[in-house]
Amino acid sequence: DSGVTQTPKHLITATGQRVTLRCSPRSGDLSVYWYQQSLDQGLQFLIQYYNGEERAKGNILERFSAQQFPDLHSELNLSSLELGDSALYFCASSVSSSTGWYGYTFGSGTRLTVV
Amino acid sequence: GESVGLHLPTLSVQEGDNSIINCAYSNSASDYFIWYKQESGKGPQFIIDIRSNMDKRQGQRVTVLLNKTVKHLSLQIAATQPGDSAVYFCAENGLYGRDTGNQFYFGTGTSLTVIP
Repeated sequence: DSGVTQTPKHLITATGQRVTLRCSPRSGDLSVYWYQQSLDQGLQFLIQYYNGEERAKGNILERFSAQQFPDLHSELNLSSLELGDSALYFCASSVSSSTGWYGYTFGSGTRLTVV
Repeated sequence: GESVGLHLPTLSVQEGDNSIINCAYSNSASDYFIWYKQESGKGPQFIIDIRSNMDKRQGQRVTVLLNKTVKHLSLQIAATQPGDSAVYFCAENGLYGRDTGNQFYFGTGTSLTVIP
């Protein structure tokens, strides 16, 4: 158990729908990151939050949004879902807001299947 | 944009042999690198890291080598075991977001298969 909790583990939904993925960071970590991993693709950075504020944005679609709550858990909202959104979505956390020399701790991911 | 890439998408080794997984990076400003291991159905797991002021770092059965001249990283796994079968990713911090955030950039991964 990495200490980063993601729910649900699996999600199957239809095109056009909206889903919410949830992440609880490791105790003491203030930063949360969301990554998308498609088949045969590496991990694509979506967005980072630090202590409730958006810190950095990557290749996140406008249909996707995220937020981090006062208790530091984060939610990734995916709307108007398309078949191509089917992927593994990982949350990671770290203690720091900046790169420094800190790595991430990843959760076990949410597998989203859009049908 | 700049990217992290891997030389080989797949690698098969005999149990007990040593494995070498290579990674090329293109951002010369990157100063921190991590190797992650991802087993099927799990999230990436930290294996070993190295800072740019080092050229070699050893862990338990793993060694990371960094060649800044040619922007190349390698992960060496000694006496490879069936439990080492996984996808291995290298990641660089890129310093793209040093002032605005913390972003690691990952390659597409190398799939290591250990043959018993």
